[in-house]
Amino acid sequence: GAVVSQHPSRVICKSGTSVKIECRSLDFQATTMFWYRQFPKQSLMLMATSNEGSKATYEQGVEKDKFLINHASLTLSTLTVTSAHPEDSSFYICSARDSRDSNSPLHFGNGTRLTVT
Amino acid sequence: AQTVTQSQPEMSVQEAETVTLSCTYDTSESDYYLFWYKQPPSRQMILVIRQEAYKQQNATENRFSVNFQKAAKSFSLKISDSQLGDAAMYFCAYRRGHAGNTPLVFGKGTRLSVIA
Repeated sequence: GAVVSQHPSRVICKSGTSVKIECRSLDFQATTMFWYRQFPKQSLMLMATSNEGSKATYEQGVEKDKFLINHASLTLSTLTVTSAHPEDSSFYICSARDSRDSNSPLHFGNGTRLTVT
Repeated sequence: AQTVTQSQPEMSVQEAETVTLSCTYDTSESDYYLFWYKQPPSRQMILVIRQEAYKQQNATENRFSVNFQKAAKSFSLKISDSQLGDAAMYFCAYRRGHAGNTPLVFGKGTRLSVIA
């Protein structure tokens, strides 16, 4: 079945540094990918919609200059957390559906646990 | 904006028994999908079941079934013959329309415990 690969699964970084998270669709093309954030014991909150070849669409309250999204190909979207701070520590999950079939379900990556020290 | 409400933060069920998780949603759209996702401790999101709004028949997947009440905007999940492996967070989710660029909107989740 369709698989979304997310890397890394865990990352620890120092405050002020940047971290890049990759999200790949392994056996389908995705013109759109979605990035969610999940705090402990809370729900998934949509951060942004990543669009292949164009700018991402950010949800209200999400700083686009802090959370840089690049969707340079039909199978890869990246989220870069710039100048990370401890409050950015969270679980980040990407998702994508097959762009050839709008009825296809959304597939999720395994998530990235970011810890900023 | 669409909202999804899960009013039960936690639920528990005896093994082999049946449990129903509640979900209500608010939308002005007529074309949408509804989903239940399971998130075990591994935090992998697993699709349990989905329902297209235009279908009157309730979706069923083995031990999982839904009660979709479109007029009431209610979408509950029934788990029959509960198993220990069913213990997880369950999220109800909504997706507007059929366009490929529409995201899922999630409820706050219900933590299900299964008692042996």
